[in-house]
Amino acid sequence: KNQVEQSPQSLIILEGKNCTLQCNYTVSPFSNLRWYKQDTGRGPVSLTIMTFSENTKSNGRYTATLDADTKQSSLHITASQLSDSASYICVVSGADSWGKLQFGAGTQVVVTP
Amino acid sequence: DSGVTQTPKHLITATGQRVTLRCSPRSGDLSVYWYQQSLDQGLQFLIQYYNGEERAKGNILERFSAQQFPDLHSELNLSSLELGDSALYFCASSVGRGAGGYTFGSGTRLTVV
Repeated sequence: KNQVEQSPQSLIILEGKNCTLQCNYTVSPFSNLRWYKQDTGRGPVSLTIMTFSENTKSNGRYTATLDADTKQSSLHITASQLSDSASYICVVSGADSWGKLQFGAGTQVVVTP
Repeated sequence: DSGVTQTPKHLITATGQRVTLRCSPRSGDLSVYWYQQSLDQGLQFLIQYYNGEERAKGNILERFSAQQFPDLHSELNLSSLELGDSALYFCASSVGRGAGGYTFGSGTRLTVV
């Protein structure tokens, strides 16, 4: 079973609207959680990275939250733009790993005019 | 430009053949990671090197091998290629364990015909 589950699998939103993506994980012990944006056919680009002591982190119109107790994270996109159309991937690193990150399957976001 | 360079960008080859993918990490990064992403699938971790030594291994097939050279560039060798090996292959780099984040290259798209 995947240790990082993302929902929804896909999402269609109107330009200018907000949306929230979810990530639940079971990785333990936990080191950090990252959100990446991946445009089709391109490499993932880091949006945020949070350790267990951080509850929220923003990067422009992207705001990530983390609840290490419930092992849940969310990524909120504000005032969506057409360029936000991409796959958003939640990646969790265990505290004792040497780089074997656990990747979620991603949420495919499509922003329509 | 992320600073991680992957070559070639595209590769088309026949089944049974052997190819080599190359990755130059971002300046100062000692760790190199290889990932495979099949069509509409999530990123699958293959292998990690740190300063020339193998540090972590994921779901890498025996037909695949990799190495990191003294100048820190890395090569991923894929042999006896099968149709199912068609995928995007990403390289990422980080300073150490990656606590500060990973930087991904733009990928090599391999098509096996």
